[in-house]
Amino acid sequence: GAVVSQHPSWVICKSGTSVKIECRSLDFQATTMFWYRQFPKQSLMLMATSNEGSKATYEQGVEKDKFLINHASLTLSTLTVTSAHPEDSSFYICSARDRGGPGELFFGEGSRLTVL
Amino acid sequence: AQTVTQSQPEMSVQEAETVTLSCTYDTSENNYYLFWYKQPPSRQMILVIRQEAYKQQNATENRFSVNFQKAAKSFSLKISDSQLGDTAMYFCAFWASYDKVIFGPGTSLSVIP
Repeated sequence: GAVVSQHPSWVICKSGTSVKIECRSLDFQATTMFWYRQFPKQSLMLMATSNEGSKATYEQGVEKDKFLINHASLTLSTLTVTSAHPEDSSFYICSARDRGGPGELFFGEGSRLTVL
Repeated sequence: AQTVTQSQPEMSVQEAETVTLSCTYDTSENNYYLFWYKQPPSRQMILVIRQEAYKQQNATENRFSVNFQKAAKSFSLKISDSQLGDTAMYFCAFWASYDKVIFGPGTSLSVIP
């Protein structure tokens, strides 16, 4: 199956700093990528939909100035958590849709963010 | 708006036995996909099985099968011959074309030796 690589898998940062998480589709072109946030023992909460070459569409309640999403190419989307605070600590997961394939999402391994 | 409900937050099953996880959804769409995803302790999301709404035949993947009842908007997952490696969170998901995927709240399944 298609592979989505997410990096870093674990990051610790100080409060007030910014952190960038990368999501790459390794063997297919992804016109659409999705970013999710997951709290312990809870479901995936969609944060935003990222389309290549255009602005991301954010879900209600998600701060677009805090969670910057860029989808510069068909294989790369990035999530930048700006001025991170401890409440931003969470597990972030990206997924990508293969534009040539049937309805299926491919998920990255996830990134655990801890803000001290 | 579409919603996905999983009424069983936690379930357990003896190894080698069969277990069924429930999922219901609400939509006005006629064409859509339904999925079951598994999330083991590693937290990597793994596709278990997929069903296209226009197909009447229930999908099957080895020990995993679904009971898709379109009129009732029900999509249950049956795991046969449960194995220790099946211990995970299971999420039911709904996707109408060109829209976002909606996940249910999840069911935590424990397989007991």
